[in-house]
Amino acid sequence: SQQGEEDPQALSIQEGENATMNCSYKTSINNLQWYRQNSGRGLVHLILIRSNEREKHSGRLRVTLDTSKKSSSLLITASRAADTASYFCGGSNYKLTFGKGTLLTVNP
Amino acid sequence: NAGVTQTPKFQVLKTGQSMTLQCAQDMNHEYMSWYRQDPGMGLRLIHYSVGAGITDQGEVPNGYNVSRSTTEDFPLRLLSAAPSQTSVYFCASSWGQYNSPLHFGNGTRLTVT
Repeated sequence: SQQGEEDPQALSIQEGENATMNCSYKTSINNLQWYRQNSGRGLVHLILIRSNEREKHSGRLRVTLDTSKKSSSLLITASRAADTASYFCGGSNYKLTFGKGTLLTVNP
Repeated sequence: NAGVTQTPKFQVLKTGQSMTLQCAQDMNHEYMSWYRQDPGMGLRLIHYSVGAGITDQGEVPNGYNVSRSTTEDFPLRLLSAAPSQTSVYFCASSWGQYNSPLHFGNGTRLTVT
């Protein structure tokens, strides 16, 4: 079963705006991870949040985790055109599975 | 440091042919895995390995075989290719099975005609 379903499927914003993406998962997890994929390339790890953490920051990224609701959110602040990519979340117990991703377009 | 290397980058097969997708990592990672990515389906886990000599099935293992004879290599074999296996295949590795980020290769784009 997939341990990560992203929402929305697509998001289009202007440069400088914030982008928020959500993720839901089905069963208990050790951690939840967010990845970015630029067109035609492999996924790149962004941030990992453990099940006992509620919030984590990394540069312009802020991730929250609510284990009671089995959900997570990724906030990208002050977005740039270079942030245009697909974003995936994956929940891990002993194997990491992903959802279908959110396609973020940041317009200059 | 090469990271995760996948070969070939592109491949075209005829239905019924067999081939092996290669994956090698030079980071001494114990955990390796294979995913396929299809439009509208996201990434789906095919097989994974927690160490040399140990493999297990993921979400969509049918039609694929794997083996892990060394820490560095994790080849994916298609025994009899089918058009439904047309996809982009990604190999990934990490230090451990838990709480470790995955490092992905750049993928192999496979077309089965």
